[in-house]
Amino acid sequence: ETGVTQTPRHLVMGMTNKKSLKCEQHLGHNAMYWYKQSAKKPLELMFVYNFKEQTENNSVPSRFSPECPNSSHLFLHLHTLQPEDSALYLCASTLGGLADTQYFGPGTRLTVL
Amino acid sequence: AQKVTQAQTEISVVEKEDVTLDCVYETRDTTYYLFWYKQPPSGELVFLIRRNSFDEQNEISGRYSWNFQKSTSSFNFTITASQVVDSAVYFCALTEGGSQGNLIFGKGTKLSVKP
Repeated sequence: ETGVTQTPRHLVMGMTNKKSLKCEQHLGHNAMYWYKQSAKKPLELMFVYNFKEQTENNSVPSRFSPECPNSSHLFLHLHTLQPEDSALYLCASTLGGLADTQYFGPGTRLTVL
Repeated sequence: AQKVTQAQTEISVVEKEDVTLDCVYETRDTTYYLFWYKQPPSGELVFLIRRNSFDEQNEISGRYSWNFQKSTSSFNFTITASQVVDSAVYFCALTEGGSQGNLIFGKGTKLSVKP
């Protein structure tokens, strides 16, 4: 299943680095999401984009900066992260209708040293 | 407020046993949607099922079955004749009809199926 792809799959970065996570969906969907999955915690919604417009920012620190240039691509730019930001970052997409099924990518495992 | 509770943190069974994963939800909305996802060790969340609040029919898909009971706000998931490949973390999730796809996940149940 390659409907939603994410790169890189693993990333190790220092606290002063700048890096970006990429998500691409090949499903013809219109809405895209970023989630954070930390150990021992439920999945947390970070951002929602619908038709390239950000519709939700779930009180995410500004060191995480999303970008959605078109309905197929979603980026998460990372800058001066903290070790507690180490987590699995998952991207998802839907057609964009209310409560549509979200299809997830494989995630990027991020480690902040 | 919405909430999803998966009280079972970890379950271990032997292959061919049946196993039920519990999910209890809270919502004030009359229109809502419930989901189950499977997360194998590879990390990807795999969609299993979606139910809306107006459809209480139970569903069966192969060895998987789901029991939706609004009276107890539960949406339990049963795997019949479990297999080693069923080993994964299973998440129950809820979204309300008026939301913009804000899925609220439970903490997940880790299922280990031993040969």
